[in-house]
Amino acid sequence: KAGVTQTPRYLIKTRGQQVTLSCSPISGHRSVSWYQQTPGQGLQFLFEYFSETQRNKGNFPGRFSGRQFSNSRSEMNVSTLELGDSALYLCASSLELTYEQYFGPGTRLTVT
Amino acid sequence: SQQGEEDPQALSIQEGENATMNCSYKTSINNLQWYRQNSGRGLVHLILIRSNEREKHSGRLRVTLDTSKKSSSLLITASRAADTASYFCATDAEDYKLSFGAGTTVTVRA
Repeated sequence: KAGVTQTPRYLIKTRGQQVTLSCSPISGHRSVSWYQQTPGQGLQFLFEYFSETQRNKGNFPGRFSGRQFSNSRSEMNVSTLELGDSALYLCASSLELTYEQYFGPGTRLTVT
Repeated sequence: SQQGEEDPQALSIQEGENATMNCSYKTSINNLQWYRQNSGRGLVHLILIRSNEREKHSGRLRVTLDTSKKSSSLLITASRAADTASYFCATDAEDYKLSFGAGTTVTVRA
């Protein structure tokens, strides 16, 4: 079974720009979660999607948004990038959120 | 604030020794999970323990859960250099949200 894939792996953007990150879950997994990881804040939950519905959202501003498609693939978008958005963005998929999570390798976003 | 908090923040041990780290959480949970992360990479699931379980084993890993104290421990026996990583606990106290602790960084010296 192919693992969770995330694209792109690395990204450099300028303040004020927007970015879209993509996540392809393991086949059959309907739950996709996104996390932001920084040295200062650790792993922070962004949101979780299940069957195209957002079921929960973390404490992030509205600049952070996401969606899930009918094939369970998910995207997250960050608009009006700030320097503090520089982080490793991780996507995880599972059969159900509270089950074992399978993480992708992450997208390293650098905002300059 | 994060639901789970790991202790200690960092741990350095000699190859072959055991490593123990703890996780404390604040509210009732259905299950608790432990993950490992090698430097700057995705997390790898290690073990899941349900709230009605007290102990679970997987290879060289042993996890205990004490719901009365709201705490869990992860023991890695006979450590190897490949065990050098950060270890996180995750809890599901809130619906459809997994909360991760700050992690314990383990360094295994050859």
